[in-house]
Amino acid sequence: DAKTTQPPSMDCAEGRAANLPCNHSTISGNEYVYWYRQIHSQGPQYIIHGLKNNETNEMASLIITEDRKSSTLILPHATLRDTAVYYCIVRASNTNAGKSTFGDGTTLTVKP
Amino acid sequence: ETGVTQSPTHLIKTRGQQVTLRCSSQSGHNTVSWYQQALGQGPQFIFQYYREEENGRGNFPPRFSGLQFPNYSSELNVNALELDDSALYLCASSPGLAGLNIQYFGAGTRLSVL
Repeated sequence: DAKTTQPPSMDCAEGRAANLPCNHSTISGNEYVYWYRQIHSQGPQYIIHGLKNNETNEMASLIITEDRKSSTLILPHATLRDTAVYYCIVRASNTNAGKSTFGDGTTLTVKP
Repeated sequence: ETGVTQSPTHLIKTRGQQVTLRCSSQSGHNTVSWYQQALGQGPQFIFQYYREEENGRGNFPPRFSGLQFPNYSSELNVNALELDDSALYLCASSPGLAGLNIQYFGAGTRLSVL
C-alpha cells in the first residue's frame, strides 16, 4: 500500500469547516483513499472512502485531486465532538481488507 | 456502536506472563483483524483470521498468536510479555476479505505490562 503523509495537528473553530489534507503521491491506479477517525479511548471509526471522484456522505466530503496524489477530508460544520485523530489510509481494491496500514494521523482539535 | 465488543477493557500483567484478549465480531462478519496501538501512534496490523484460519500477519513475533472460533469470535494470545507490549489492542471485523470491505473496530483492550 502507498504511504500517506498528514500534518500532525490542526485546529478548527466550532461551526467552521475543517479541511484535513493527506498526501499520497505514490498512489497506484487501483488504490482507494480511506479515512478513519479515532476519538479518545475508542477504536477507529470509518468515515468515507473514494477512488478518484469526490465523495460525500452524512459525515464528511472527500475531495481527491485529479492526479490522485493528494486528498482532503472536509467536515463541513465541525463540532466539539469531532475532536479526534484522523487517519488517511491508501488501500488497493485487491488488498486484504484487514491489513490496513495506519500512519500517525492528524490530531484535529475543534475549539469553541 | 459498531457491534464489535472486546474484553477485558483494561488489564495489568507483569513481565513474562501470558495474556488472552477476546473479541466478538459484528453479526455476519467472518473476518477479524487484530492491531496493536502504542501511545501516540497509529494502529499496527498484527494478524487477521478468516473463517478460522490465519490469513496474513504483520511484523510481530510468534509469541503473538490467535484463534478464531466457529462463531467468528476471536482471541489474541501473547506469551512471555515484555514491557513494550504495553499498548491498546484493537480488534476489527469485516464481512469478508475483499479490499473494499469496511472494517469496524471495537473500543480496544488497554494492556499494561509492569
